[in-house]
Amino acid sequence: QQPVQSPQAVILREGEDAVINCSSSKALYSVHWYRQKHGEAPVFLMILLKGGEQKGHEKISASFNEKKQQSSLYLTASQLSYSGTYFCGSTQGGSEKLVFGKGTKLTVNP
Amino acid sequence: NAGVTQTPKFQVLKTGQSMTLQCAQDMNHEYMSWYRQDPGMGLRLIHYSVGAGITDQGEVPNGYNVSRSTTEDFPLRLLSAAPSQTSVYFCASSSYRGDAYNEQFFGPGTRLTVL
Repeated sequence: QQPVQSPQAVILREGEDAVINCSSSKALYSVHWYRQKHGEAPVFLMILLKGGEQKGHEKISASFNEKKQQSSLYLTASQLSYSGTYFCGSTQGGSEKLVFGKGTKLTVNP
Repeated sequence: NAGVTQTPKFQVLKTGQSMTLQCAQDMNHEYMSWYRQDPGMGLRLIHYSVGAGITDQGEVPNGYNVSRSTTEDFPLRLLSAAPSQTSVYFCASSSYRGDAYNEQFFGPGTRLTVL
């Protein structure tokens, strides 16, 4: 079952902040975040695991609320290079499937 | 390391034709998967494998077959192509740490058009 992302799209000016949310109706075991630029493959940003472990790039921050079955990706002081589509993926307890949401399109303007 | 490679990059098929999309990785990853990407639909899991000889269905497996005879290769077969299979196909691989996947490495994608 695909996780649900919000918002579907967001437009920022350089330097502004954004939050992208990811939620599931089922208990989450892990959450993955990826960014995809137009015409390219998705690129890894971060993994958050049940129990609080995180792995990812230093300039990216995210949270994982196990009780609410939600994760949020925080983009601060946005740069033009942050533009792209952000995907969250999740695995659920007992399943080996990594399933992605429909994506959030982020546009950062000068 | 070449990472994850996919061939071909572009393909045009006629309805009813069959073909195989190739995917290979040189990182000795246990987990490999196929996704299709359509506008507004995100990445949808077609099939995945947790090791050689082991495959399982994802969210949208109908019309596709896979096999995993080696750790390195994970081909995706379209049995009888339909216009609804027009999409961009991504192969991905990752290592598995026992309780969770590590980061997914995606191939460059194959853009398939079925007429």
